[in-house]
Amino acid sequence: KQEVTQIPAALSVPEGENLVLNCSFTDSAIYNLQWFRQDPGKGLTSLLLIQSSQREQTSGRLNASLDKSSGRSTLYIAASQPGDSATYLCAVRELSGQNFVFGPGTRLSVLP
Amino acid sequence: ETGVTQTPRHLVMGMTNKKSLKCEQHLGHNAMYWYKQSAKKPLELMFVYNFKEQTENNSVPSRFSPECPNSSHLFLHLHTLQPEDSALYLCASSPARNTEAFFGQGTRLTVV
Repeated sequence: KQEVTQIPAALSVPEGENLVLNCSFTDSAIYNLQWFRQDPGKGLTSLLLIQSSQREQTSGRLNASLDKSSGRSTLYIAASQPGDSATYLCAVRELSGQNFVFGPGTRLSVLP
Repeated sequence: ETGVTQTPRHLVMGMTNKKSLKCEQHLGHNAMYWYKQSAKKPLELMFVYNFKEQTENNSVPSRFSPECPNSSHLFLHLHTLQPEDSALYLCASSPARNTEAFFGQGTRLTVV
């Protein structure tokens, strides 16, 4: 059974810092991995999608990498801003079905 | 705005009530999903519909009844719920198995 974990569970940094969020998954048989952002009480906003054949994706200040063989992905946020404060979720899409398996999330606070 | 719309945004219901959650997308996506997000727990898949056919039921109690009348609409019918069913219910859609998922803003359900 696929399990997804995220480290750290919470992170508080001063504005301007570069930071890395980690995601690990136990079964490398995946279609893709997707990073989401969730503001309190809201839905999920897609940030980046990495296909299983890709190594990384970039969007603005965000860069996500994927090492499928080791079951790891990282989300790099450059020059963090208070507006980046949210919970960041990673999810893997299993080959066996259409399910997304989510990690528990990393709660990020960027202090002005 | 992701193109996936959920109504209502908030719902309070008694344990003997019957209510329905609605999800709508006009993105031309073939797959639609219901997820449950409880406090301090990862998102849990409830149901998957692919081309209007239910392809996954993740051992969800029968007090939750999904309906997919067409590829643009997905409902979750609720009856005789329990207080522990209080959660954020999220709908998602995707074009195909190896593509990006888009989530709605969710319905915050409180069972009293």
